Amino acid sequence: GAGVSQSPSNKVTEKGKDVELRCDPISGHTALYWYRQRLGQGLEFLIYFQGNSAPDKSGLPSDRFSAERTGESVSTLTIQRTQQEDSAVYLCASSPGEAGRTGELFFGEGSRLTVL
Amino acid sequence: AQSVSQHNHHVILSEAASLELGCNYSYGGTVNLFWYVQYPGQHLQLLLKYFSGDPLVKGIKGFEAEFIKSKFSFNLRKPSVQWSDTAEYFCAVNPGGYQKVTFGIGTKLQVIP
Repeated sequence: GAGVSQSPSNKVTEKGKDVELRCDPISGHTALYWYRQRLGQGLEFLIYFQGNSAPDKSGLPSDRFSAERTGESVSTLTIQRTQQEDSAVYLCASSPGEAGRTGELFFGEGSRLTVL
Repeated sequence: AQSVSQHNHHVILSEAASLELGCNYSYGGTVNLFWYVQYPGQHLQLLLKYFSGDPLVKGIKGFEAEFIKSKFSFNLRKPSVQWSDTAEYFCAVNPGGYQKVTFGIGTKLQVIP
């Protein structure tokens, strides 16, 4: 597609349930990022992919969080046994990944997660 | 690890006033620097970037930013703001040679007509 697509746009779940968030990056973008934005806070880095591999997953808050990417395309962020503190907007961004454009991120609209 | 500090969390200006938003980063090596903007109801988008060369960079809609290496700063400026500049502005840093991009907490700008 023309831009980064995320789904679902809104998700309300009960504490303890698992959720899966999906990101479709811009075609041809090799780098893909996940960020979390809690209410009133900045963007918190979670993980990034270069191709299929994740060189930096240092931002994942706990082992309840995992992410994968298939091909140089779709990525899913999975949160197991959700907690109320997981409530946030989860943002996905993709980047061409080429030298000279590192850090140029194209963001999706985000997935708003509410854990009751 | 790198970090980004934005000093003003909420700024209110009248139209035609001048704007300067502060951004400082902590990283000793070569960096790429960015300002991103999120207009109400829209997704984050790139406003301007600095990779190398002229430390004064110009972006869209009349915005500019100056990289001062000695101060580890990358402040955003606009001589005369408009109501349509109402948005949240994020400073971001990317260490040269790495892909990770770290964002500041953001500054909400409200421009009053």
